[in-house]
Amino acid sequence: GAGVSQSPRYKVAKRGQDVALRCDPISGHVSLFWYQQALGQGPEFLTYFQNEAQLDKSGLPSDRFFAERPEGSVSTLKIQRTQQEDSAVYLCASSFGVRGNYGYTFGSGTRLTVV
Amino acid sequence: GQQVMQIPQYQHVQEGEDFTTYCNSSTTLSNIQWYKQRPGGHPVFLIQLVKSGEVKKQKRLTFQFGEAKKNSSLHITATQTTDVGTYFCAGSNYGGSQGNLIFGKGTKLSVKP
Repeated sequence: GAGVSQSPRYKVAKRGQDVALRCDPISGHVSLFWYQQALGQGPEFLTYFQNEAQLDKSGLPSDRFFAERPEGSVSTLKIQRTQQEDSAVYLCASSFGVRGNYGYTFGSGTRLTVV
Repeated sequence: GQQVMQIPQYQHVQEGEDFTTYCNSSTTLSNIQWYKQRPGGHPVFLIQLVKSGEVKKQKRLTFQFGEAKKNSSLHITATQTTDVGTYFCAGSNYGGSQGNLIFGKGTKLSVKP
């Protein structure tokens, strides 16, 4: 597609519920990133995929967070047993190059609210 | 770990005034990128700087990368209401933290017409 598509746009989850956030990157983009953005803050790195390989997951805050990109295109970020501190906007970005070599194209994000 | 700091956090200007935001890294960077996020929107890539001392211009926007590749600035000449938003710098260090972009907290610009 023309841009990075994320769904759902908004998600309200009860504490303890599992959620799955989807990202459809720009076709042909090798790199895919997940970032978490709290209100009034800059995006914080969660994880990085190069094609289907998850090369870096150092930013995932706990083992409740899991990401996959099984065929090297669409990616899913899953959060198990959601907590209130998980409330944030989750941004997906894709890039033509690897790592930080090229500019990132971000999706519109999924705003997660845990109640 | 690598940190990227931005100042100021907020800037309020009258339309037509100039605006500058500064970015400093705790470590030497391989490159630095700048993004703009409109209220309610997502970050949009503006530019990437790679070379020491590099200066790039986009219309009223001037971007600089420091000689030591640890700092950068974005200057907007004669601000317009369309410049409203949060400007983020993001640094990458290929040899360090495996090259992930680390974002600053951003400078929020408001422009009074």
